[in-house]
Amino acid sequence: GAGVSQSPSNKVTEKGKDVELRCDPISGHTALYWYRQSLGQGLEFLIYFQGNSAPDKSGLPSDRFSAERTGGSVSTLTIQRTQQEDSAVYLCASSSGTSGGYFGPGTRLTVL
Amino acid sequence: DQQVKQNSPSLSVQEGRISILNCDYTNSMFDYFLWYKKYPAEGPTFLISISSIKDKNEDGRFTVFLNKSAKHLSLHIVPSQPGDSAVYFCAAARGGSQGNLIFGKGTKLSVKP
Repeated sequence: GAGVSQSPSNKVTEKGKDVELRCDPISGHTALYWYRQSLGQGLEFLIYFQGNSAPDKSGLPSDRFSAERTGGSVSTLTIQRTQQEDSAVYLCASSSGTSGGYFGPGTRLTVL
Repeated sequence: DQQVKQNSPSLSVQEGRISILNCDYTNSMFDYFLWYKKYPAEGPTFLISISSIKDKNEDGRFTVFLNKSAKHLSLHIVPSQPGDSAVYFCAAARGGSQGNLIFGKGTKLSVKP
């Protein structure tokens, strides 16, 4: 497909388990962002990858959160020892840098 | 501390009228601003952007105005259509379009026929 894809679309997990969320950006886009939107809140920046530069991790809420981007393309966001407050829609976006980012449909994470 | 604020959580406008969505920011280092539209169960879609070297940018029915001295930007939709009903997010970045985006909490626009 031509757009940003994310998987899974929905994930239900038990408190304390680890989860991995995947993002496939638009081919050729050098910038990749992860955001989350909790219920009733705006979009919260998590992490930003730009080319081969060190990622901007300033938005990660705790050390339980990590992300990597392999080969400058696919990215995975990992949440260890999930907590109920991690429940949110996790959105990935990619950008060529010449226009606004294109978002994926998101992964809805529910931590029971 | 919220760096990007959208103080109106909702706005209701009659079809054909102008919708004005407002956004304020606190960080004077922001130099690139964007508006996104989000329908339920979908990811946000990019609408329009403006660089801090400009004070206005138009794209069809959408115009974004930037007032740097007031640290304020607004999105005008003229004329408003029922299909414009969505949540609108304002976002700001430092470092141009390559910077990470800081979003506001969004304004839900309802355009009534």
